[in-house]
Amino acid sequence: AQRVTQPEKLLSVFKGAPVELKCNYSYSGSPELFWYVQYSRQRLQLLLRHISRESIKGFTADLNKGETSFHLKKPFAQEEDSAMYYCALSEDREAGTALIFGKGTTLSVSS
Amino acid sequence: DSGVTQTPKHLITATGQRVTLRCSPRSGDLSVYWYQQSLDQGLQFLIHYYNGEERAKGNILERFSAQQFPDLHSELNLSSLELGDSALYFCASSVDSRTGDHYGYTFGSGTRLTVV
Repeated sequence: AQRVTQPEKLLSVFKGAPVELKCNYSYSGSPELFWYVQYSRQRLQLLLRHISRESIKGFTADLNKGETSFHLKKPFAQEEDSAMYYCALSEDREAGTALIFGKGTTLSVSS
Repeated sequence: DSGVTQTPKHLITATGQRVTLRCSPRSGDLSVYWYQQSLDQGLQFLIHYYNGEERAKGNILERFSAQQFPDLHSELNLSSLELGDSALYFCASSVDSRTGDHYGYTFGSGTRLTVV
């Protein structure tokens, strides 16, 4: 069975500091990995999808198959980045199988 | 607006009652997924429908059921409600019917269910 682990429930940083939100997964195949952001328990918004290799709002994430990780990084945190971040996995990128989410990390950026 | 519409936005009901949550997917999307978000359990996958047929089940209780209609909207039925069913219920849609492309997942704004 697949599993997504986000080891930190809360990450607190100061404005301008680097941010790294950790995500590890366990799955024997070739999953598709995502990062979603949720502000104040509103709609989940797609932040990153590993196959698109984009940088959204200054965030990047690299899939490391050897370490089975997909950590989210940003070099300089902003106060508006404060939100809940979820890492998610889909087993089959072609078939659109359901996303399996980690438990989320709350990012708090203070000035 | 993400294109995925969920109604109602808020619902307050008593224990033992039955409610129906509705989801209209993004125009043309064939797949609908239902999730439950609670403070202690995080985001739990409930069920996935593709073009009217059940595709996968997750942690869905027997008291809960869902269906997807020919116009592709979906309903999640929750019965014999308990206090612990209080949560945010999200749906998401995917798979563009015009291209068959699984472009990702678009989420609705959720229905906040409170059982009292």
